Amino acid sequence: AQSVTQPDIHITVSEGASLELRCNYSYGATPYLFWYVQSPGQGLQLLLKYFSGDTLVQGIKGFEAEFKRSQSSFNLRKPSVHWSDAAEYFCAVVGGGGNKLTFGTGTQLKVEL
Amino acid sequence: KAGVTQTPRYLIKTRGQQVTLSCSPISGHRSVSWYQQTPGQGLQFLFEYFSETQRNKGNFPGRFSGRQFSNSRSEMNVSTLELGDSALYLCASSSQVNYGYTFGSGTRLTVV
Repeated sequence: AQSVTQPDIHITVSEGASLELRCNYSYGATPYLFWYVQSPGQGLQLLLKYFSGDTLVQGIKGFEAEFKRSQSSFNLRKPSVHWSDAAEYFCAVVGGGGNKLTFGTGTQLKVEL
Repeated sequence: KAGVTQTPRYLIKTRGQQVTLSCSPISGHRSVSWYQQTPGQGLQFLFEYFSETQRNKGNFPGRFSGRQFSNSRSEMNVSTLELGDSALYLCASSSQVNYGYTFGSGTRLTVV
């Protein structure tokens, strides 16, 4: 069965600093990977997705992620964080039949002004 | 175009009651999935429907059920509510396999 690990529960960065959120997955075949963001009391917003092809994926709000098969990783990055990026970020993988998303436990991002 | 609409946004129910949550997917999306989000268990998959057929089901008791109508709208039902069913229930729709899901804002269910 597929699984996703987000090793960092909380991360605090200063506004303007760079950001990297880690995600490791376990899946036997080629994974379909996603990053979602959730603001308090809201649903999930899709930031970016990887299915195949170029391993560096661009998303919305200036985010990008790099798929590294050798490391089973799909880390999310942003070169300069804005205060409005404070939220919870979830990495997810699709697999195992149908469209079932398996999520990581999430990383809570705090941005210091 | 309109996003995924979930109703109601908030709900308070008493233990033992049953509840029905509704989800209207994005127009043209035929796949609808439901997820439960709690602080302790995180985001857990409940079930997925495609063209009125349940295609996948998560590891939840039979008290949790769902259905999808011919217009792709979906409902989920929880019977004999327990305190542990208090959660944010999220619905998501997709137009095609692996295109990613668009989520609604969720229904916050509180069981007292």
